Amino acid sequence: AQSVTQLGSHVSVSEGALVLLRCNYSSSVPPYLFWYVQYPNQGLQLLLKYTTGATLVKGINGFEAEFKKSETSFHLTKPSAHMSDAAEYFCAVSIGGGADGLTFGKGTHLIIQP
Amino acid sequence: DAGVIQSPRHEVTEMGQEVTLRCKPISGHNSLFWYRQTMMRGLELLIYFNNNVPIDDSGMPEDRFSAKMPNASFSTLKIQPSEPRDSAVYFCASSFRGTGETQYFGPGTRLLVL
Repeated sequence: AQSVTQLGSHVSVSEGALVLLRCNYSSSVPPYLFWYVQYPNQGLQLLLKYTTGATLVKGINGFEAEFKKSETSFHLTKPSAHMSDAAEYFCAVSIGGGADGLTFGKGTHLIIQP
Repeated sequence: DAGVIQSPRHEVTEMGQEVTLRCKPISGHNSLFWYRQTMMRGLELLIYFNNNVPIDDSGMPEDRFSAKMPNASFSTLKIQPSEPRDSAVYFCASSFRGTGETQYFGPGTRLLVL
């Protein structure tokens, strides 16, 4: 069975600062990894995903993540935070490439300080 | 193109009543997923379908929960009888089955059982 751990239920950064949201996974087979964002009272929107190939993945809104197999990590970063980035972020793993259900982390609430 | 459509958006009911949640996936998608989100347990997969056939219902919490997908454009999640601990946000997601395919989420149904 696979699992996801997101370190830090809340992360606070200043506007313009680096955003780093941590995600570690456990999987018995090569995983497919996803980051989703959820704004208040809305559904989840895909930010980016890793399937195969290049380990540095670029997504929407300036976010990117790097798959590090040796560290079983898939941390999400953005060089400069914007107020509109304030939201809940979820890391998810799938062993079926997304064709099966996703296993989500508990989520990280990103707070942007002006 | 319309995204995943869920109805109702909000539902308030009394304990013991039957609740039916509805989902219309994105046209052309052949996989459909039901998730539940609570503060305590986060996002959990309840059940998913491929080509209208239930594949994995191991996440369905109890026999009080049932899900159907009579055709490619409609699915229901039913709770009978409902209990206060069923209060949660229920999300439907759809994808086109394949490696690394993105799951697109609906806006969710916020259920409150009194």
